[in-house]
Amino acid sequence: QVQLQESGPGLVKPSETLSLTCTVSGGSVSSGSYYWSWIRQPAGKGLEWIGYIYYSGSTNYNPSLKSRVTISVDTSKNQFSLKLSSVTAADTAVYYCARGADGYVRKSWFDPWGQGTLVTVSS
Amino acid sequence: AIRITQSPSSLSASTGDRVTITCRASQGISSYLAWYQQKPGKAPKLLIYAASTLQSGVPSRFSGSGSGTDFTLTISCLQSEDFATYYCQQYYSYPVFGPGTKVDIK
Repeated sequence: QVQLQESGPGLVKPSETLSLTCTVSGGSVSSGSYYWSWIRQPAGKGLEWIGYIYYSGSTNYNPSLKSRVTISVDTSKNQFSLKLSSVTAADTAVYYCARGADGYVRKSWFDPWGQGTLVTVSS
Repeated sequence: AIRITQSPSSLSASTGDRVTITCRASQGISSYLAWYQQKPGKAPKLLIYAASTLQSGVPSRFSGSGSGTDFTLTISCLQSEDFATYYCQQYYSYPVFGPGTKVDIK
């Protein structure tokens, strides 16, 4: 079955760029049936969708983060990545990658999810 | 942006209880709603999508209903492994999650 695994630095300095990668196994990011998202969760708080990418490179971002977010896909490595610029302490969270269920409409639920990775923004 | 509220924010229940959690959208979202269960330190797990469709492998004691603006998640007979936080998510527009409902042991 499809599995997702996040990787990247656990500590980022304020004003710098957070970079994470999600590696997909048991499935292909090139499948047109799905799309690939990033979602985050500050400690003790709720879930916030960051954005998604489709295998073609088409993206959509949360309006509240759009000016700072870039999501890209590397089909040769079966990975997709997140970059969040100009981070502050408010960006400290567990970051999850997840698969969106409907690649054609790209408005759907998410399943499965990666296990999540904690990113702390601190000097 | 569509806003999502959940009620209650927390509840205490006993094994065997029937539990109902409500999710309300600030505007009509048809049946574009999913429910997730999250346990501490774990990723959310999909339970229900399209408001009432049970995800494969999810026990039948979980059920969902509703359309438009008002939705419910019901656990018919609470089991020990069901103590967790539950989130709804609308996907009518860009995804927005509810604030969560924590179900703990009475």
